[in-house]
Amino acid sequence: DTGVSQDPRHKITKRGQNVTFRCDPISEHNRLYWYRQTLGQGPEFLTYFQNEAQLEKSRLLSDRFSAERPKGSFSTLEIQRTEQGDSAMYLCASSLGTGANEKLFFGSGTQLSVL
Amino acid sequence: QQQVKQSPQSLIVQKGGISIINCAYENTAFDYFPWYQQFPGKGPALLIAIRPDVSEKKEGRFTISFNKSAKQFSLHIMDSQPGDSATYFCAASKGSGNTPLVFGKGTRLSVIA
Repeated sequence: DTGVSQDPRHKITKRGQNVTFRCDPISEHNRLYWYRQTLGQGPEFLTYFQNEAQLEKSRLLSDRFSAERPKGSFSTLEIQRTEQGDSAMYLCASSLGTGANEKLFFGSGTQLSVL
Repeated sequence: QQQVKQSPQSLIVQKGGISIINCAYENTAFDYFPWYQQFPGKGPALLIAIRPDVSEKKEGRFTISFNKSAKQFSLHIMDSQPGDSATYFCAASKGSGNTPLVFGKGTRLSVIA
């Protein structure tokens, strides 16, 4: 069990550029979540997958954001035409999704800075 | 509209003392209430969780107290240690934890010797 892995750890980009983050969940975890966290705030839910199916998207997720989880393994989160307001820590989490009281395991996040 | 309100924003406790962090919620459909601990540069990690069919749950030095009628729950850290210094988040979800968690804004705890 190597835990949830996120890449890159840090990303600095210029406004208007596209960025893509990758998340590798714990193997055998069928649920994968993306959250966003800004300084001094709790994580905010963005979207989640059950295997390869994207089950829910938050209203926070504008049409510039897209997430995929091909084959139900790793996931990518792409942000197009980045804005300064996108600067945040993007956290990925996975769980077994067994239903009651599922335990989320978070990665260490990707810190995005949009200049 | 913040669904889970957490207080205080920051807390300083002497080593050996009791740390108490409070959360309140509005949505009566919430039925799973975890607490997460986050160290700088790391993602949150589950500390302890409770369901509304019990009023208290204890794991080691950590206790959750739950008041269903008041829609409040709190985290108590007994014999606080410097290693407990971190940010703590309460959270809530519906469907027995089967829906995405809604987090509070966090409490930054500093335990001083």
